[in-house]
Amino acid sequence: EADIYQTPRYLVIGTGKKITLECSQTMGHDKMYWYQQDPGMELHLIHYSYGVNSTEKGDLSSESTVSRIRTEHFPLTLESARPSHTSQYLCASSEWGLDEQYFGPGTRLTVT
Amino acid sequence: GDSVTQMEGPVTLSEEAFLTINCTYTATGYPSLFWYVQYPGEGLQLLLKATKADDKGSNKGFEATYRKETTSFHLEKGSVQVSDSAVYFCALSSNQGGKLIFGQGTELSVKP
Repeated sequence: EADIYQTPRYLVIGTGKKITLECSQTMGHDKMYWYQQDPGMELHLIHYSYGVNSTEKGDLSSESTVSRIRTEHFPLTLESARPSHTSQYLCASSEWGLDEQYFGPGTRLTVT
Repeated sequence: GDSVTQMEGPVTLSEEAFLTINCTYTATGYPSLFWYVQYPGEGLQLLLKATKADDKGSNKGFEATYRKETTSFHLEKGSVQVSDSAVYFCALSSNQGGKLIFGQGTELSVKP
């Protein structure tokens, strides 16, 4: 069983607010990922990291930013939330040398 | 570039029916192949995987065989249960730093 946690699970906020979605894993995995999942279910990679101080943008352009100061922690920040950011955000991690990713439970964000 | 195509859903079956969800892929090299499952309100869980041609991945009564000649990795289960109702994602490991490429997901609904 993978140990990867996301908080909050659900968040409703107003337009213009700054928010940080938290993601932590206790497996010591070097690689971590953020996906945005739209209502049609499709997953879009928005950020990834291969280790401390490493961050890269994913395949889908996103106004969010990420940081990786500690191996176990990979937070995602939206400086000014907009209704178009309403979505499910999934965090994942994987061990170096292996391809399978382990996912957290997700954060469902609604921006009003 | 690499891609994964799944059969469109939703798929609706009666309990104890046979399940097939088709998945085909396009990739350079020899990717690993995965099936993930997402239950309502949760993140993705790894269901099974195969790492080379002719490998069969299996778990919880589900199985899929890596067919290089047809570039396919179809998911099958002999007798579905109501508890199998979920969204199923086929994925492959790209040759770009181990990122996963996901299909669009197939929703399965099993009726009693």
